[in-house]
Amino acid sequence: ETGVTQTPRHLVMGMTNKKSLKCEQHLGHNAMYWYKQSAKKPLELMFVYSLEERVENNSVPSRFSPECPNSSHLFLHLHTLQPEDSALYLCASSQADRLKGGEQFFGPGTRLTVL
Amino acid sequence: SQQGEEDPQALSIQEGENATMNCSYKTSINNLQWYRQNSGRGLVHLILIRSNEREKHSGRLRVTLDTSKKSSSLLITASRAADTASYFCATALTGGGNKLTFGTGTQLKVEL
Repeated sequence: ETGVTQTPRHLVMGMTNKKSLKCEQHLGHNAMYWYKQSAKKPLELMFVYSLEERVENNSVPSRFSPECPNSSHLFLHLHTLQPEDSALYLCASSQADRLKGGEQFFGPGTRLTVL
Repeated sequence: SQQGEEDPQALSIQEGENATMNCSYKTSINNLQWYRQNSGRGLVHLILIRSNEREKHSGRLRVTLDTSKKSSSLLITASRAADTASYFCATALTGGGNKLTFGTGTQLKVEL
């Protein structure tokens, strides 16, 4: 978990709230990822940024809006969420390698509860 | 079904015993990786094995890869209580860039 930080660690929000999750990596990587982890389900890839450009959006509802202002920071803006969006949101980073898919370094996650 | 499926879903062993977890996948891969996750925390990378490798070791970990069967196994020898965690395999698909596809994981419990 060292090298990738996420804030906040826990978040409780109502369905009408707007909040943001923040991720920062100190590893000099150039690719960053958002994943959603729900109970009993595989890790779901939400967004991928490579060289600050969004390269993947896995049919994520528009109530989730990512932002990558530079290669070290990644945000996930949340608005009008649903209770089923409650999950652990994980950020990861890696050194982008178009051919091979290297190891990813994960942050500790944000535990989100939507009431 | 999933690209990566681990088997068993849960495993309970005594300290000192070996733990073996298996992963099956469906399509051609560049590499396969194993990660560990302690409860409610981020994933930690354990080991990466490339598609042209058959076996790899790291400390008490041994990973095998059989591309003809599209399967991999993770062996933890001489397990310790601190090995209690969930273990996930992740595949980097051929032509898939940096994307990893994760399985559902094996929950390992090592009892004293």
